Amino acid sequence: EAGVTQFPSHSVIEKGQTVTLRCDPISGHDNLYWYRRVMGKEIKFLLHFVKESKQDESGMPNNRFLAERTGGTYSTLKVQPAELEDSGVYFCASSPSFGTRTFFGPGTRLTVL
Amino acid sequence: LAKTTQPISMDSYEGQEVNITCSHNNIATNDYITWYQQFPSQGPRFIIQGYKTKVTNEVASLFIPADRKSSTLSLPRVSLSDTAVYYCLVGVDTGRRALTFGSGTRLQVQP
Repeated sequence: EAGVTQFPSHSVIEKGQTVTLRCDPISGHDNLYWYRRVMGKEIKFLLHFVKESKQDESGMPNNRFLAERTGGTYSTLKVQPAELEDSGVYFCASSPSFGTRTFFGPGTRLTVL
Repeated sequence: LAKTTQPISMDSYEGQEVNITCSHNNIATNDYITWYQQFPSQGPRFIIQGYKTKVTNEVASLFIPADRKSSTLSLPRVSLSDTAVYYCLVGVDTGRRALTFGSGTRLQVQP
């Protein structure tokens, strides 16, 4: 079974530019999460999709971040415009509908210069 | 959410048993204790979950005393490949809600 995949694995952009991260969850998983870890900090929750609907976006830091999950399959997380403090590792995770564990992707390392 | 406290780092040698203890004094009645492992350049990976007493799987054992205010992850006969960060989480990993990570314990296994 293929795991959660994320693209790109690394991204280096300049302040003010736009970046879009992609996550492909495990096939059939309705729940999709975005997390991030900025340098020296703990892994923090950003938002949760159930299929195509945003279940909880309380962790989104500000309106420069936009997450979508069209058709309830893959998800994108856009940062526009990127700021220096957005640098970190962005993890995507997924899980099926009924009570089980959460599976994480390898993460996308974002560096904003 | 119950706060967890665990050592920042631990060192061990290959072949030794490693025990990582996590404190969670404010654990709720419905909370489980879940441990995740994270290797460099990878996302966290579920390793074990328990509610009380002892749970064992092919990777580790989890010991939870009767008061549930702490738990101990036990890794038998560690190898170099067990070098990772280990996170103790309190809650229920149903897969249907977000997880709250602490700072974790960085385990370094030496040859």
